[in-house]
Amino acid sequence: SQELEQSPQSLIVQEGKNLTINCTSSKTLYGLYWYKQKYGEGLIFLMMLQKGGEEKSHEKITAKLDEKKQQSSLHITASQPSHAGIYLCGADTDKLIFGTGTRLQVFP
Amino acid sequence: DAMVIQNPRYQVTQFGKPVTLSCSQTLNHNVMYWYQQKSSQAPKLLFHYYDKDFNNEADTPDNFQSRRPNTSFCFLDIRSPGLGDAAMYLCATSRDQLAGRDTQYFGPGTRLTVL
Repeated sequence: SQELEQSPQSLIVQEGKNLTINCTSSKTLYGLYWYKQKYGEGLIFLMMLQKGGEEKSHEKITAKLDEKKQQSSLHITASQPSHAGIYLCGADTDKLIFGTGTRLQVFP
Repeated sequence: DAMVIQNPRYQVTQFGKPVTLSCSQTLNHNVMYWYQQKSSQAPKLLFHYYDKDFNNEADTPDNFQSRRPNTSFCFLDIRSPGLGDAAMYLCATSRDQLAGRDTQYFGPGTRLTVL
């Protein structure tokens, strides 16, 4: 079965700093989703990537899928406290499976 | 503007007392999902409906049931909640289910406490 490993597990950055979260799959990805979850709330859809080498941006968040389609990265530029939360990658198989999650804290 | 709505946001029940969680959607999506998320864990799929067709995950306990009376609503019934069922329950929808290749949109969740 497919597994997704995220790194780092936890990240604490100062406001204004850039950061990257990685998601590595044990199998080729046919679709990769990024979600954000604030504590005690539901998942907010950020982006979906399907093609090798694809890159998408939304505001200050950029996500990429590598050419081999086994790894994705999420990059936040000039982080803000509003970026704090848990970031989850999800893989498109016969059902949506999630990565291990990365907890991001941004301090002023 | 709410698209996937869950009620209540917080539910407290007693051990063994049946409880029902509600989900509604304004997206007119064909597929509705129920996930269980325990603390510091990723969401785990319990079951989903594709239109009226119910699809149960193999490892979902019989204690969990679901109903979908129409396109907009889906319910999660826990017949006899145990302490281990305390969790966040997330409802999600997707337009279709093309081998899973369709974005799922999640509701805000219902946090269930079992006393």
